[in-house]
Amino acid sequence: QVQLQQWGAGLLKPSETLSLTCAVYGGSFSGYYWSWIRQPPGKGLEWIGEINHSGSTNYNPSLKSRVTISVDTSKNQFSLKLSSVTAADTAVYYCARVTGRGIWGYYYYGMDVWGQGTTVTVSS
Amino acid sequence: DIQMTQSPSSLSASVGDRVTITCRASQSISSYLNWYQQKPGKAPKLLIYAASSLQSGVPSRFSGSGSGTDFTLTISSLQPEDFATYYCQQSYSTPIFTFGPGTKVDIK
Repeated sequence: QVQLQQWGAGLLKPSETLSLTCAVYGGSFSGYYWSWIRQPPGKGLEWIGEINHSGSTNYNPSLKSRVTISVDTSKNQFSLKLSSVTAADTAVYYCARVTGRGIWGYYYYGMDVWGQGTTVTVSS
Repeated sequence: DIQMTQSPSSLSASVGDRVTITCRASQSISSYLNWYQQKPGKAPKLLIYAASSLQSGVPSRFSGSGSGTDFTLTISSLQPEDFATYYCQQSYSTPIFTFGPGTKVDIK
């Protein structure tokens, strides 16, 4: 059974860089995209971006200029960096696996395995 | 950009009630619609994908329907463990995913 375990710094000052890592245990690392999603306190979910085992990335256009997602296939890990953080980046950050299912020749993608979440607070 | 809306934003219901939550997309997304359940302090859980396909392990009291712009999540008989917030998510514009604002289901 696939499990995701994530970690990283929980308290940052404005202008610093957020850095989180997610490790994949118990399943295949290749063949999937791996995503980061965040949730500000009391608010909804925002997709940040994703990466696959070969390092191909896709980012949310609203965050693209500040986001870097990287992969370390030797450790089955992927990481998120978000630069120049502000209080608006305060959120719980989740990593997740993106799975595609074929139905009648069409592929449907969803996030079926999630990490436990990391609370990141940006405060001076 | 595809925008997602949900209604209602919250609802109160009793155990055993039939509950319906609606999600609407700003443009047609065919059946590229997922539903998630999130309990306080926990990560979201995938319930339904492709608008109406039940994720493995999810109880059959959950069902999804719809296509195009209008979608529905139905809980046929609400159980105590179903009190949570429910989010829809479009995957039509993959790799860009967009979530709805959520519907909180609490105890009447």
